[in-house]
Amino acid sequence: RKEVEQDPGPFNVPEGATVAFNCTYSNSASQSFFWYRQDCRKEPKLLMSVYSSGNEDGRFTAQLNRASQYISLLIRDSKLSDSATYLCVVRADSGYALNFGKGTSLLVTP
Amino acid sequence: DAGVIQSPRHEVTEMGQEVTLRCKPISGHNSLFWYRQTMMRGLELLIYFNNNVPIDDSGMPEDRFSAKMPNASFSTLKIQPSEPRDSAVYFCASVGGNYGYTFGSGTRLTVV
Repeated sequence: RKEVEQDPGPFNVPEGATVAFNCTYSNSASQSFFWYRQDCRKEPKLLMSVYSSGNEDGRFTAQLNRASQYISLLIRDSKLSDSATYLCVVRADSGYALNFGKGTSLLVTP
Repeated sequence: DAGVIQSPRHEVTEMGQEVTLRCKPISGHNSLFWYRQTMMRGLELLIYFNNNVPIDDSGMPEDRFSAKMPNASFSTLKIQPSEPRDSAVYFCASVGGNYGYTFGSGTRLTVV
């Protein structure tokens, strides 16, 4: 079983829609949590960190539920440019190594 | 800052040949990671170095894979002999003090 599980999608949504992605992780000792974005045939890039109190960055809101070992990402007012794969990422309890989910594919259509 | 530089961008090789992938991390970053990405398995950590020392190589699939970091500005990942199942995108990433990962553009390896 992979340490970080995501629904692969794809999620097809119209422009302006709100879409939410979920992720679960298995290691209860995990320390840090992130969402990365990966465009087709490109490298992953950090979208945002996820904090216990929840955090927002413009149209993007991330939430963490440590008790349920669950992370979410909400995208409001979707843009065509949001089309990408969104990777849920968890840092283990020591060191810098990150565990990546397989990603959730999002396609925003006109 | 040129970012993390990987070479080659694409590599096509025949089964049984040796393949060497190269990575130059961001200057001042003291941790370097090699990841492999496939459709089936997603991104998998192969090995990582801290201050040029290998810390965790448990993700290296088998003895055909080896990685070195002879100095702070260069790392290699070698596959010998290569097999078709090694076909994947191999990413190198370096990390500075704030846990911020920067990935290179990747090497797309095809073994035929």
